Amino acid sequence: HLQLQESGSGLVKPSQTLSLICSVSGVSISSGGSSWSWIRQPPGKGLEWIGYIYHSGNTYYNPSLKSRVSISLDRSNNQISLNLSAVIAADTAVYYCARYLGGSSFDEWGQGTQVTVSS
Amino acid sequence: QSALTQPASVSGSPGQSLTLSCTGTSSDIGTYNLVSWYQQHPGRGPKLIIYEGTKRPSGVSNRFSGSKSANTASLTISGLQAEDEAHYYCCTYAGSATYVFGTGTEVTVL
Repeated sequence: HLQLQESGSGLVKPSQTLSLICSVSGVSISSGGSSWSWIRQPPGKGLEWIGYIYHSGNTYYNPSLKSRVSISLDRSNNQISLNLSAVIAADTAVYYCARYLGGSSFDEWGQGTQVTVSS
Repeated sequence: QSALTQPASVSGSPGQSLTLSCTGTSSDIGTYNLVSWYQQHPGRGPKLIIYEGTKRPSGVSNRFSGSKSANTASLTISGLQAEDEAHYYCCTYAGSATYVFGTGTEVTVL
C-alpha cells in the first residue's frame, strides 16, 4: 500500500531556502513509470502545482517558480526532496507530495506539511 | 499560466444533482482531454475522483462523473450526500509539461 509522508522545516525566514522531504513507502521511487510531484496550498486558497520528477530524474517545474525550485530523488532512502530558495511570505502554504500518473492525474497524496515564512 | 476558474461555492439538498464548472482556455482545457478532479475535506489531502476528463479511479462512487465542452470541464455529483460536502478542485495539463489547478469550489449540502 503506497504511503507518502512530508516532513521538513515548518518555519523559514524570508530570503532563506525551504527544504522538504517526502518519504515514500510501499513502492520504489525508482520503479519504471513512477513520477512524483509537489503541490502547495496557501492558507484559505486553492492548489498550486510546483513541479514533478520522473523516476529517471527528469524534472519539470511551474514557470512561475522555475528560477527558485529544485526537486530531486534520494533513491537510497526512497525519498523525494523539494528545495525552494529566496522564500517570501507568499510561499507560506501547506506543501503536499503526490504520485503523478500522467495526464494530470495525481492519484495518491500525503497529508501535507505546513510551512510558514516569517522572520 | 492562470488558475482555472471555478465558482466559489455551490449548494444543494440531499438527493439532488450538482454540476460544478471549471473554465480554462483554448490552450489548456480546450486542447487537451486531460482534466482531473479532486475532492478535499477539511484538514485532509486531496483525493482524485476523476481523471482524463471522464474516468473514475477504482473505489470512487459512480455518483461522480466528468464531462467537457469547449474550454469548460464539468463535474456532476448525482444523489448528493452529506459526505460530499467538501472542496472540489479541477486540474488540467497546460502544455509544455506543466499543469494548472482551478480556484476551487466549496460544496455545501443543505
